[in-house]
Amino acid sequence: DIQMTQSPSSLSASVGDRVTITCRASQSIGRYLNWYQQKPGKAPTLLMYAASSLQSGVPSRVSGSGSGTDFTLTISSLQPEDFATYYCQQTYSTPRTFGGGTKVEIK
Amino acid sequence: QITVKEPGPTLVKPTQTLTLTCSFSGFSLTTRGVGVGWIRQPPGKALEWLALVYWNDDKRYGPSLKSRLTITKVTSYNQVVLTMTNMDPVDTGTYYCVRDVWAVAGTDYYYIDVWGKGTTVTVSS
Repeated sequence: DIQMTQSPSSLSASVGDRVTITCRASQSIGRYLNWYQQKPGKAPTLLMYAASSLQSGVPSRVSGSGSGTDFTLTISSLQPEDFATYYCQQTYSTPRTFGGGTKVEIK
Repeated sequence: QITVKEPGPTLVKPTQTLTLTCSFSGFSLTTRGVGVGWIRQPPGKALEWLALVYWNDDKRYGPSLKSRLTITKVTSYNQVVLTMTNMDPVDTGTYYCVRDVWAVAGTDYYYIDVWGKGTTVTVSS
C-alpha cells in the first residue's frame, strides 16, 4: 500500500493567516492526489483533485501544488469557514489511501 | 440530483457479520468511469478506504480488511452492498457510502464527488 503522511497533524491560526498543509507519499504518485475538507459531524467534501485542480465552487483562496511524493494545500487568507480537518488521498493505486488528517483550529 | 444514502445506525455483536446497503440515485452504476464504495472513520480518527466497485464490476478492497469484506452491486435496484465478517469493537465508527468518478473523462484521475451522510456502526456485546 502507498502510505500518505500529513503534517502538521494540527495547527492553530488566525483569520487572515496563510496556512500550508503538507502531504507526502511513500512512493511517487504523479499528480494523483486529492484534498478533502471535513467539518465536525459532517462528511468530507472535495477541495482539489489531480493535485492542483480546484473543484467547482471551492474559493480561489485554496490552492494545491506538487507532484511525485510531495504535495501542499495552501489557504491564502484563512476564513472562519475554513476551520476544519483536511485530508489528502492518493488515487494512483488501490487502496486509495488517505493521510492522517490536519486539524486547523482557531488561535 | 445525485445522492448516495446509507442505512440507519446499526448495532452488531462481536463475531457477527455486518451488512450495509447503499442506495443511490441520479446516476447509473453502468456508466463508464463510475464507481461506488465505502469509507469508514473510527471516532476521532482518520478516514479509512474500505472497498469500491466500478461500473464494469471490477472490485477493489483495502488489503488489511480484504479477507473480511465483500462488495456487490445490485444494478437493477441502484444499490451497493458491503458485508464485513467477524466484527470486532475496533470496527466501531461511521461508515460512508461514496461515489467515485473520473475527474476528467477517459483519464485515470478519480475523485469522490458525492458522500453519504454516514451511518454509525457500533460493535458491542
